[in-house]
Amino acid sequence: NAGVTQTPKFRVLKTGQSMTLLCAQDMNHEYMYWYRQDPGMGLRLIHYSVGEGTTAKGEVPDGYNVSRLKKQNFLLGLESAAPSQTSVYFCASSLTAGTHSEPQHFGDGTRLSIL
Amino acid sequence: GQNIDQPTEMTATEGAIVQINCTYQTSGFNGLFWYQQHAGEAPTFLSYNVLDGLEEKGRFSSFLSRSKGYSYLLLKELQMKDSASYLCAGLDSNYQLIWGAGTKLIIKP
Repeated sequence: NAGVTQTPKFRVLKTGQSMTLLCAQDMNHEYMYWYRQDPGMGLRLIHYSVGEGTTAKGEVPDGYNVSRLKKQNFLLGLESAAPSQTSVYFCASSLTAGTHSEPQHFGDGTRLSIL
Repeated sequence: GQNIDQPTEMTATEGAIVQINCTYQTSGFNGLFWYQQHAGEAPTFLSYNVLDGLEEKGRFSSFLSRSKGYSYLLLKELQMKDSASYLCAGLDSNYQLIWGAGTKLIIKP
Protein backbone atom coordinates (compact mmCIF):
# COMPACT_ATOMS: atom_id res chain seq x y z
CA ASN A 1 0.00 0.00 0.00
CA ALA A 2 1.34 3.40 -0.98
CA GLY A 3 -0.65 5.30 1.68
CA VAL A 4 0.03 9.04 1.28
CA THR A 5 2.42 10.08 -1.47
CA GLN A 6 3.86 13.56 -1.84
CA THR A 7 5.67 14.97 -4.85
CA PRO A 8 8.21 16.43 -5.16
CA LYS A 9 10.37 15.42 -2.18
CA PHE A 10 12.74 18.37 -2.52
CA ARG A 11 12.57 21.69 -4.31
CA VAL A 12 14.49 24.94 -4.40
CA LEU A 13 12.71 28.04 -5.64
CA LYS A 14 13.61 31.65 -6.15
CA THR A 15 11.57 34.37 -4.48
CA GLY A 16 8.50 35.15 -6.57
CA GLN A 17 8.33 31.80 -8.35
CA SER A 18 5.23 29.64 -8.14
CA MET A 19 4.83 25.93 -7.67
CA THR A 20 2.33 23.22 -6.78
CA LEU A 21 2.84 20.41 -4.29
CA LEU A 22 0.86 17.27 -4.98
CA CYS A 23 -0.54 14.88 -2.40
CA ALA A 24 -2.22 11.61 -3.31
CA GLN A 25 -3.78 9.02 -1.01
CA ASP A 26 -5.09 5.57 -1.86
CA MET A 27 -6.95 4.83 1.39
CA ASN A 28 -10.28 6.37 0.33
CA HIS A 29 -9.98 8.93 3.12
CA GLU A 30 -12.42 11.82 3.28
CA TYR A 31 -10.22 14.28 5.14
CA MET A 32 -6.94 15.69 3.86
CA TYR A 33 -4.59 18.25 5.38
CA TRP A 34 -1.55 20.34 4.54
CA TYR A 35 0.87 21.23 7.35
CA ARG A 36 4.17 22.99 7.56
CA GLN A 37 6.84 22.02 10.09
CA ASP A 38 9.48 24.50 11.17
CA PRO A 39 12.31 24.00 13.68
CA GLY A 40 11.21 24.45 17.29
CA MET A 41 7.53 24.67 16.37
CA GLY A 42 4.69 22.24 16.21
CA LEU A 43 3.05 21.24 12.97
CA ARG A 44 0.88 24.11 11.75
CA LEU A 45 -2.21 23.55 9.65
CA ILE A 46 -2.26 25.49 6.39
CA HIS A 47 -5.47 24.28 4.73
CA TYR A 48 -7.62 21.22 4.95
CA SER A 49 -10.46 19.48 3.13
CA VAL A 50 -13.36 17.47 4.50
CA GLY A 51 -14.28 15.96 1.15
CA GLU A 52 -14.00 16.20 -2.62
CA GLY A 53 -14.63 19.74 -3.83
CA THR A 54 -14.28 21.32 -0.38
CA THR A 55 -11.43 23.28 1.19
CA ALA A 56 -11.04 25.34 4.36
CA LYS A 57 -8.40 27.57 5.93
CA GLY A 58 -6.24 26.41 8.78
CA GLU A 59 -4.02 28.31 11.15
CA VAL A 60 -1.54 29.75 8.60
CA PRO A 61 -3.27 29.98 5.18
CA ASP A 62 -1.79 33.24 3.86
CA GLY A 63 0.31 32.83 0.73
CA TYR A 64 -1.10 29.38 -0.08
CA ASN A 65 -4.02 28.04 -2.09
CA VAL A 66 -5.41 24.52 -2.32
CA SER A 67 -7.70 22.45 -4.47
CA ARG A 68 -9.38 19.07 -4.04
CA LEU A 69 -10.91 18.25 -7.42
CA LYS A 70 -10.62 14.51 -6.85
CA LYS A 71 -11.08 12.68 -3.55
CA GLN A 72 -7.65 11.13 -3.68
CA ASN A 73 -5.69 14.29 -4.50
CA PHE A 74 -5.02 17.47 -2.55
CA LEU A 75 -2.88 20.17 -4.16
CA LEU A 76 -1.06 22.97 -2.38
CA GLY A 77 -0.05 26.01 -4.42
CA LEU A 78 2.37 28.81 -3.73
CA GLU A 79 1.59 31.67 -6.10
CA SER A 80 4.59 33.89 -5.31
CA ALA A 81 7.09 32.14 -3.07
CA ALA A 82 8.72 34.04 -0.20
CA PRO A 83 11.73 33.05 1.95
CA SER A 84 9.37 32.76 4.96
CA GLN A 85 7.78 29.79 3.19
CA THR A 86 10.97 27.77 3.46
CA SER A 87 9.82 24.75 5.42
CA VAL A 88 9.02 21.06 5.37
CA TYR A 89 5.49 20.50 4.10
CA PHE A 90 3.51 17.45 5.16
CA CYS A 91 0.30 16.18 3.70
CA ALA A 92 -1.93 13.96 5.81
CA SER A 93 -5.23 12.18 5.43
CA SER A 94 -7.75 10.59 7.77
CA LEU A 95 -10.93 8.59 7.42
CA THR A 96 -12.98 10.94 9.59
CA ALA A 97 -12.49 13.61 12.24
CA GLY A 98 -15.44 12.60 14.34
CA THR A 99 -15.84 11.38 17.88
CA HIS A 100 -14.16 8.06 17.15
CA SER A 101 -11.16 9.90 15.93
CA GLU A 102 -9.11 8.21 13.33
CA PRO A 103 -5.40 9.02 13.29
CA GLN A 104 -3.97 11.12 10.51
CA HIS A 105 -1.63 9.33 8.10
CA PHE A 106 1.26 11.40 6.82
CA GLY A 107 3.25 11.54 3.61
CA ASP A 108 7.05 11.67 3.68
CA GLY A 109 7.16 15.43 3.32
CA THR A 110 8.40 17.98 0.80
CA ARG A 111 11.48 19.96 1.73
CA LEU A 112 11.11 23.39 0.16
CA SER A 113 13.75 26.11 0.15
CA ILE A 114 13.03 29.62 -1.10
CA LEU A 115 16.09 31.69 -1.97
CA GLY B 1 -5.56 30.52 23.43
CA GLN B 2 -4.68 26.96 22.57
CA ASN B 3 -1.35 25.53 23.63
CA ILE B 4 0.50 22.25 23.93
CA ASP B 5 3.62 22.12 26.12
CA GLN B 6 6.18 19.34 26.19
CA PRO B 7 9.91 19.23 27.02
CA THR B 8 12.23 20.05 24.14
CA GLU B 9 14.70 17.22 24.70
CA MET B 10 15.21 14.21 26.97
CA THR B 11 18.00 11.67 27.31
CA ALA B 12 17.64 8.09 28.51
CA THR B 13 19.63 4.88 28.59
CA GLU B 14 19.01 1.80 26.48
CA GLY B 15 16.89 -0.72 28.40
CA ALA B 16 15.51 1.91 30.79
CA ILE B 17 12.07 3.57 31.09
CA VAL B 18 11.28 7.15 30.13
CA GLN B 19 8.17 9.27 30.62
CA ILE B 20 7.46 12.19 28.28
CA ASN B 21 4.98 14.69 29.68
CA CYS B 22 2.53 16.90 27.83
CA THR B 23 0.17 19.57 29.13
CA TYR B 24 -2.54 20.97 26.95
CA GLN B 25 -4.99 23.83 26.70
CA THR B 26 -7.48 23.51 23.88
CA SER B 27 -10.83 25.07 23.02
CA GLY B 28 -12.93 22.06 23.85
CA PHE B 29 -11.35 18.63 23.96
CA ASN B 30 -11.90 15.57 21.78
CA GLY B 31 -8.88 13.53 22.64
CA LEU B 32 -5.11 13.50 22.68
CA PHE B 33 -2.73 11.88 20.22
CA TRP B 34 0.90 10.84 20.43
CA TYR B 35 3.01 10.47 17.29
CA GLN B 36 6.59 9.36 16.73
CA GLN B 37 8.77 11.13 14.18
CA HIS B 38 12.24 9.91 13.24
CA ALA B 39 14.57 12.57 11.88
CA GLY B 40 13.76 13.37 8.26
CA GLU B 41 10.68 11.18 8.23
CA ALA B 42 6.92 11.50 8.55
CA PRO B 43 5.11 11.41 11.90
CA THR B 44 3.54 8.03 12.63
CA PHE B 45 0.63 7.39 14.98
CA LEU B 46 1.34 5.87 18.40
CA SER B 47 -1.72 6.34 20.59
CA TYR B 48 -5.03 8.10 21.18
CA ASN B 49 -6.65 8.82 24.55
CA VAL B 50 -10.03 10.41 25.11
CA LEU B 51 -10.93 8.97 28.52
CA ASP B 52 -8.93 9.28 31.73
CA GLY B 53 -6.52 6.50 32.43
CA LEU B 54 -3.76 4.44 30.96
CA GLU B 55 -3.73 2.82 27.52
CA GLU B 56 -1.05 0.18 27.01
CA LYS B 57 0.33 -0.97 23.68
CA GLY B 58 3.32 -3.24 24.09
CA ARG B 59 6.33 -1.24 25.25
CA PHE B 60 4.45 2.05 24.87
CA SER B 61 1.72 3.35 27.20
CA SER B 62 -0.15 6.65 27.22
CA PHE B 63 -1.95 8.28 30.13
CA LEU B 64 -4.55 11.03 30.21
CA SER B 65 -5.97 13.20 32.97
CA ARG B 66 -8.62 15.51 31.55
CA SER B 67 -9.13 17.39 34.82
CA LYS B 68 -5.43 18.31 34.89
CA GLY B 69 -4.99 18.86 31.14
CA TYR B 70 -2.13 16.41 31.28
CA SER B 71 -0.87 13.39 29.40
CA TYR B 72 2.27 11.33 29.34
CA LEU B 73 3.84 8.76 27.06
CA LEU B 74 5.71 5.97 28.81
CA LEU B 75 8.32 4.01 26.90
CA LYS B 76 9.69 0.83 28.49
CA GLU B 77 12.71 -1.33 27.66
CA LEU B 78 14.15 1.45 25.54
CA GLN B 79 15.86 0.49 22.30
CA MET B 80 18.20 2.57 20.16
CA LYS B 81 15.52 2.70 17.45
CA ASP B 82 13.31 4.65 19.89
CA SER B 83 15.56 7.68 19.35
CA ALA B 84 13.09 10.06 17.71
CA SER B 85 10.89 13.06 18.37
CA TYR B 86 7.59 12.42 20.13
CA LEU B 87 4.75 14.76 19.22
CA CYS B 88 1.77 15.44 21.47
CA ALA B 89 -1.38 16.79 19.80
CA GLY B 90 -4.77 17.75 21.24
CA LEU B 91 -8.00 17.54 19.26
CA ASP B 92 -10.06 20.66 19.83
CA SER B 93 -13.80 21.29 19.62
CA ASN B 94 -13.57 21.74 15.83
CA TYR B 95 -11.72 18.42 15.53
CA GLN B 96 -8.54 20.25 14.57
CA LEU B 97 -5.24 18.93 15.93
CA ILE B 98 -3.18 21.38 17.96
CA TRP B 99 0.43 20.18 17.96
CA GLY B 100 3.24 20.53 20.45
CA ALA B 101 6.74 21.26 19.19
CA GLY B 102 7.84 17.72 20.01
CA THR B 103 10.23 16.13 22.47
CA LYS B 104 13.49 14.87 21.03
CA LEU B 105 14.43 11.65 22.81
CA ILE B 106 18.08 10.65 22.76
CA ILE B 107 18.90 7.07 23.73
CA LYS B 108 22.42 6.31 24.96
CA PRO B 109 23.93 2.81 25.07
